[in-house]
Amino acid sequence: GAGVSQTPSNKVTEKGKYVELRCDPISGHTALYWYRQSLGQGPEFLIYFQGTGAADDSGLPNDRFFAVRPEGSVSTLKIQRTERGDSAVYLCASSSPPGTYNEQFFGPGTRLTVL
Amino acid sequence: DAKTTQPTSMDCAEGRAANLPCNHSTISGNEYVYWYRQIHSQGPQYIIHGLKNNETNEMASLIITEDRKSSTLILPHATLRDTAVYYCIVRDAGNMLTFGGGTRLMVKP
Repeated sequence: GAGVSQTPSNKVTEKGKYVELRCDPISGHTALYWYRQSLGQGPEFLIYFQGTGAADDSGLPNDRFFAVRPEGSVSTLKIQRTERGDSAVYLCASSSPPGTYNEQFFGPGTRLTVL
Repeated sequence: DAKTTQPTSMDCAEGRAANLPCNHSTISGNEYVYWYRQIHSQGPQYIIHGLKNNETNEMASLIITEDRKSSTLILPHATLRDTAVYYCIVRDAGNMLTFGGGTRLMVKP
C-alpha cells in the first residue's frame, strides 16, 4: 500500500514569509509525528498527534510553529515569519495503533530553504 | 538528549557482516532499543527493536548484552545499498523517537 507522503518535496521561501507543509499518513494510522532534521544531524521531534489532537507539542521551537490535523488524517505544519534558521528537512511519520512501542513509518520529507 | 552513544562512522566490505555497536548505559527497565537507518535523501526506515532478548528479522539481528547497557546491530551480508546512517534509539513509553547522531556506515565494493 501507499506509504507516508509529504508535499511539497522542496520549498524555497524568503525570510518573513509563511509556509505550509503537508503530510498524508498511511491510511488508518491514528498517530502522526513531525520531526525536523538539520544538515548532518539526526531528526528532532516537533509534535505528536493522536487522532485530531496534539498529544505532545513539546518539541515545537517557538510560537511561530503550529500544526493541525483537523480530521485525524492529513496534517499541516505551519510556520509563520520564517527565519533562515528554519531551513531544514521536515519529516512526517505515522504509526498504528496508538504508538507506544510501534514502528513509525516516515515520509521522504520536505526540504525547506529560507533565503 | 539522546541516551545512546555510537561511533560516528564505520566501513564494511561488501558481502561481509556489518556490526554496529551502541552504548546505552543509562537504559531503564521499561525502555526498548530501536534501530532505524536513513539512506541519503530519504526518511528514516525502521530496522528492528528489542527489550532484552536477541532479535532477528529479514533485515538484521539485534544482540543486547545481559546488563542491557549496550547492543549490536548485525547486517549479516552487507550490500552497497546498506550504505546509510544507522540510528540506535532508546525508547520509553513516550511516543517520540529521540535520535542521536548515528553511525554513518559505508559499504565498499
